[in-house]
Amino acid sequence: KNEVEQSPQNLTAQEGEFITINCSYSVGISALHWLQQHPGGGIVSLFMLSSGKKKHGRLIATINIQEKHSSLHITASHPRDSAVYICAASGRDDKIIFGKGTRLHILP
Amino acid sequence: NAGVTQTPKFRVLKTGQSMTLLCAQDMNHEYMYWYRQDPGMGLRLIHYSVGEGTTAKGEVPDGYNVSRLKKQNFLLGLESAAPSQTSVYFCASRGLGQRRYNEQFFGPGTRLTVL
Repeated sequence: KNEVEQSPQNLTAQEGEFITINCSYSVGISALHWLQQHPGGGIVSLFMLSSGKKKHGRLIATINIQEKHSSLHITASHPRDSAVYICAASGRDDKIIFGKGTRLHILP
Repeated sequence: NAGVTQTPKFRVLKTGQSMTLLCAQDMNHEYMYWYRQDPGMGLRLIHYSVGEGTTAKGEVPDGYNVSRLKKQNFLLGLESAAPSQTSVYFCASRGLGQRRYNEQFFGPGTRLTVL
């Protein structure tokens, strides 16, 4: 069993829809990360959080430490949001464990 | 600032050939990482370094060696390439003591094909 599980694996939605991507982890963590990988391959960090909720523009990330679960939400989705979204967990050591990613496709 | 750069961007090798991938960062980060990304799998850690002159094994270290002689550079070597090492390789770095100290910054990736 993977230590970081994401769902769904693939998601197609219409422009404007509210998007939710889920992440569950089985390891103790110091922080939970959400990353975005564009079709061109580049990876950027969206959020790093260890409790509560963070918001940046139309993106919102939440985490529930007790349930070992995090969600990434996108409000008013747009075709430019189409990408692979990756959840990752960093533990007390220096390493990060990555989920397999969720491929999001927003249709115009 | 260039951030994290990787050289080369693409490479095709024959089985048994050797090569070195170079990662450079200009953010004075202590930590540097090498990952590989394969279809259907998450990023997997090959080797990492917590400072100049130090290296440690990650999840999939076999067939690779690394060196961190200078703080800004982290080299990944393949001594005898195998088709199983066909992958996209990402380098990343992170610092300490910053407001977002645990955020990793990624390079653009190197696409390696071993025939």
